[in-house]
Amino acid sequence: AQTVTQSQPEMSVQEAETVTLSCTYDTSENNYYLFWYKQPPSRQMILVIRQEAYKQQNATENRFSVNFQKAAKSFSLKISDSQLGDTAMYFCASVSDYKLSFGAGTTVTVRA
Amino acid sequence: GAVVSQHPSRVICKSGTSVKIECRSLDFQATTMFWYRQFPKQSLMLMATSNEGSKATYEQGVEKDKFLINHASLTLSTLTVTSAHPEDSSFYICSARDIFRREWNTEAFFGQGTRLTVV
Repeated sequence: AQTVTQSQPEMSVQEAETVTLSCTYDTSENNYYLFWYKQPPSRQMILVIRQEAYKQQNATENRFSVNFQKAAKSFSLKISDSQLGDTAMYFCASVSDYKLSFGAGTTVTVRA
Repeated sequence: GAVVSQHPSRVICKSGTSVKIECRSLDFQATTMFWYRQFPKQSLMLMATSNEGSKATYEQGVEKDKFLINHASLTLSTLTVTSAHPEDSSFYICSARDIFRREWNTEAFFGQGTRLTVV
């Protein structure tokens, strides 16, 4: 079984600034994948970034990057140069047995 | 990425009636589909997992007789909420993956979701 914890219910950031969302997880597996999903007001789930646990290099996708600390079981998401379109709920997730386990989510509001 | 289409996007039904939600993979074979329920401002809660041609596996606490899942083909899964009641009102989301396609075996593709309102 896997558990994913997001301890920040809400975050607010000024446009063009940087915000970091925290996530911790617990797993008994040796190799696993971690994800950040974005759910904008439309409620469509969008994959933001993916990290494979055996890769030490942190994943990056344009303005989105992660800080993956395997020993600490921490997987934070950094959004750089925040844009109004980044306003959404963000979910950290892990996969086990092809099933995704989601954290509680963090609502990010980007202010103009 | 792959496309998953969920229909309808919104549905209102009367208490006691049944409603069917469809989830289709448009450009890949969905060997496995997942159904989630989401309340406002909350996370996605997995209800059940279905594999094509076999019975769905329900998560603990989910009533299998109320939430009927059929995955009869590699491109279509349906969720039927039977004898719906107002407490069944929620946002339902499906996701699909092809577990035999290596580059996708860790990624799930999501439908647009269905907002169900039972009156």
